[in-house]
Amino acid sequence: SQQGEEDPQALSIQEGENATMNCSYKTSINNLQWYRQNSGRGLVHLILIRSNEREKHSGRLRVTLDTSKKSSSLLITASRAADTASYFCATAINTGGFKTIFGAGTRLFVKA
Amino acid sequence: DTAVSQTPKYLVTQMGNDKSIKCEQNLGHDTMYWYKQDSKKFLKIMFSYNNKELIINETVPNRFSPKSPDKAHLNLHINSLELGDSAVYFCASSYRQTGGEVQFFGPGTRLTVL
Repeated sequence: SQQGEEDPQALSIQEGENATMNCSYKTSINNLQWYRQNSGRGLVHLILIRSNEREKHSGRLRVTLDTSKKSSSLLITASRAADTASYFCATAINTGGFKTIFGAGTRLFVKA
Repeated sequence: DTAVSQTPKYLVTQMGNDKSIKCEQNLGHDTMYWYKQDSKKFLKIMFSYNNKELIINETVPNRFSPKSPDKAHLNLHINSLELGDSAVYFCASSYRQTGGEVQFFGPGTRLTVL
């Protein structure tokens, strides 16, 4: 089974609304990252939150991390049509070398 | 000026053939990766190299052989292609910032095995 799992699998909202995506993971982590993937493109790094941090902001993005619940959330405020993409959480675990494991992603569709 | 580039972008081939995908990064990163993304968009790590040395090999069939001639290049050769190899393959490189490795992805190579 996967280390990271996003919820929901798909999300459709109107422009201007907020979008919240959740990620749960199984093992202890060093950090958790969120990436974005536009259709037919590679992933782009959005934000990294360390295991000793609880919240982080970057522009319209807000990420929270709850290590006791092994979960994270990504909030995109005032969404735009250009935010339409798949969003992946990625957890870094120490296996001798650091390994990053990606979840299956949340597909976000923002309607103009 | 692309940071991480891959060639080819599309690859269509017959079962049983051997093919290669090339990857180059001009970011000066020490670590490079190959990932496979299946039709359900699940992204799975295959290999990781640090300064030309293999550090992660995720139970990938030995038909897949990565080669890193220098730290800016990580190529992937696939022998005896099978239908199940059809996927999008992403190359990535990373640098270490405070707290962890941040990865930069190439545009992907869509491999279709007929």
